[in-house]
Amino acid sequence: DQQVKQNSPSLSVQEGRISILNCDYTNSMFDYFLWYKKYPAEGPTFLISISSIKDKNEDGRFTVFLNKSAKHLSLHIVPSQPGDSAVYFCAASAGGGSQGNLIFGKGTKLSVKP
Amino acid sequence: EAGVAQSPRYKIIEKRQSVAFWCNPISGHATLYWYQQILGQGPKLLIQFQNNGVVDDSQLPKDRFSAERLKGVDSTLKIQPAKLEDSAVYLCASSLSPGVYWGNTGELFFGEGSRLTVL
Repeated sequence: DQQVKQNSPSLSVQEGRISILNCDYTNSMFDYFLWYKKYPAEGPTFLISISSIKDKNEDGRFTVFLNKSAKHLSLHIVPSQPGDSAVYFCAASAGGGSQGNLIFGKGTKLSVKP
Repeated sequence: EAGVAQSPRYKIIEKRQSVAFWCNPISGHATLYWYQQILGQGPKLLIQFQNNGVVDDSQLPKDRFSAERLKGVDSTLKIQPAKLEDSAVYLCASSLSPGVYWGNTGELFFGEGSRLTVL
């Protein structure tokens, strides 16, 4: 039973355009959400996070939106750059953000074409 | 600041053999995690340490997997005997502490991983 779902295995976007990566979750106890980025042969690196008390968090070109009623979050990258090409993982945790209980989605591979 | 160090990067073994992975977390990070990432899947938590005590090992297959964190710093993850389905990347991660609090995003810092192939 997948509690965190990333239904798009891949996404291709032109440089300079917006990239939108989607994530759905089923567990209503999740109260903290994170996005990680992973390059080949490297470990995942933290990108941005959002608490369930917010509906938006912004950091430079990256914005995460949370829709609790729909149990859906999305990551927007504007403008997209070739260096953004990587696998993006959505992750969620319950219980006040106890990070050890991070549940990851399967990831979405983003390709940004010059 | 040095990141999370893991070794070996790659390991190929026959089924039923044993293997051990080593992790050195970021200095000062009290919490250490081992994740298993099977090809095409997201990372799955195997075990979480707080200092040298186990916080969560509910998803660790204890009949074949073991982990320890002596002196609350380095950690080793051992698989004995290995099965074909253990082929995966084993990721070590560390954080200042579990949980989110003011000034801390609670993010995990991952190492590059150890890729295990079981033949």
